[in-house]
Amino acid sequence: GAGVSQSPRYKVTKRGQDVALRCDPISGHVSLYWYRQALGQGPEFLTYFNYEAQQDKSGLPNDRFSAERPEGSISTLTIQRTEQRDSAMYRCASSRTSGGFTDTQYFGPGTRLTVL
Amino acid sequence: ILNVEQSPQSLHVQEGDSTNFTCSFPSSNFYALHWYRWETAKSPEALFVMTLNGDEKKKGRISATLNTKEGYSYLYIKGSQPEDSATYLCAFKGSSNTGKLIFGQGTTLQVKP
Repeated sequence: GAGVSQSPRYKVTKRGQDVALRCDPISGHVSLYWYRQALGQGPEFLTYFNYEAQQDKSGLPNDRFSAERPEGSISTLTIQRTEQRDSAMYRCASSRTSGGFTDTQYFGPGTRLTVL
Repeated sequence: ILNVEQSPQSLHVQEGDSTNFTCSFPSSNFYALHWYRWETAKSPEALFVMTLNGDEKKKGRISATLNTKEGYSYLYIKGSQPEDSATYLCAFKGSSNTGKLIFGQGTTLQVKP
């Protein structure tokens, strides 16, 4: 079956512009996670949803970052007034149930964001 | 601040060598430890989820052990092959009511033919 998909795969934007990154989880997966990954580092947690409810947004770096999942499926991560330090790979993951301790998170291919 | 450390940062071995690397994590409030294999330009691929102290998991030539009391996990690769070349990431899940994973920085393995 189809895995987690993300779009766009690459995004180049100018400083100060807003960007919206999309994640389409595996069909039927309850939980959806957003991570940010710097070059040479492991993914860093941003936020996650169970269905449409945002359960934990403790990793969002500041109020320019927001995420939504209005119908409990597709999610959008929005970065307002982008800055060069926002440049990174943004990865989405989904899991079958709502955060059970054996739940595997399946990762998408990521969106490479470059802010000029 | 919860810290997950992996060592070594990188490793070069010859084809056929066996190798292992370490993931260190907080020993308190442990819930689960995940191992992922990640090839550049691809998505991280789940290898194991481990929950109980003393757990051992195996998948082909790759195996992992878990010690939650002292806060470490070992990943072993027996008879390394060039296709094992990848970055191996571990991720810690604490007992708080969240699906959040805290990842280490990874160990990058290069297997030379």
